Amino acid sequence: DVKVTQSSRYLVKRTGEKVFLECVQDMDHENMFWYRQDPGLGLRLIYFSYDVKMKEKGDIPEGYSVSREKKERFSLILESASTNQTSMYLCASSPPLAGSNEQFFGPGTRLTVL
Amino acid sequence: DQQVKQNSPSLSVQEGRISILNCDYTNSMFDYFLWYKKYPAEGPTFLISISSIKDKNEDGRFTVFLNKSAKHLSLHIVPSQPGDSAVYFCAASSNQAGTALIFGKGTTLSVSS
Repeated sequence: DVKVTQSSRYLVKRTGEKVFLECVQDMDHENMFWYRQDPGLGLRLIYFSYDVKMKEKGDIPEGYSVSREKKERFSLILESASTNQTSMYLCASSPPLAGSNEQFFGPGTRLTVL
Repeated sequence: DQQVKQNSPSLSVQEGRISILNCDYTNSMFDYFLWYKKYPAEGPTFLISISSIKDKNEDGRFTVFLNKSAKHLSLHIVPSQPGDSAVYFCAASSNQAGTALIFGKGTTLSVSS
C-alpha cells in the first residue's frame, strides 16, 4: 500500500520562527511536491523535485525553501514564518512520467503561525 | 491566468440524486485529466482520470466525461451518498510540461440525506 507521511498533523509556531515540514514516501518515487491549500484558492504548488538534490520553483515559492538529500524525503522550510503562511501544507509524490501523472498525497500539516 | 477552472465553489444535492461537477481548461496540450476528493484535515485522494484521447471513463458510481472541443470535463456521481460530501478538485497534466499537475480551485459537494 502506497504511503506518504508528513511529520506533523498540526503545528503552531510564532512569527519569525524557522519551521521545518518533513515528508517521507515509501514508493521509491522520483518526483515529490509541496502544495499549500487555502479556502477558495485550491492547491497551489510551492516547490517540487525530480530527483535527489534537484528542486524547481512552483507557483508560490516566495518565503519557502526545500531540501531533498534522500530520494524518499522532501523537506519544506519556512525561513522566517509569517502569519500569511498559516495554511494546510500537503506533500505528494509520483513516479516518473507515466500515464496520468497521478500524485499520491500525504495527510497534510495544518500550520498556524501566531 | 488559470488554466484549470472550477467555476462552481459549491454544490448541494440530495442523497440518491446525481451530482455533476464541472471543470473547464484552456490548454489544449493537456494529456490527462484527474479528479481528486478531499475530506477536511486529510490529504486529497485520487478518484478517477481520463486520457485526452477518450471521451468517457467510468468507475462504479463515478463517470468522467471529456468534451475536447469545448475544453470541458465533468464528473458525474450516481447515486450520490452523504459520504461523498467533500471538496472535489479537477487537475490536468501535460507530459510535455513534466509531471506537475495543475489544479482547479475545487468544488465543495454537500449531499444531504
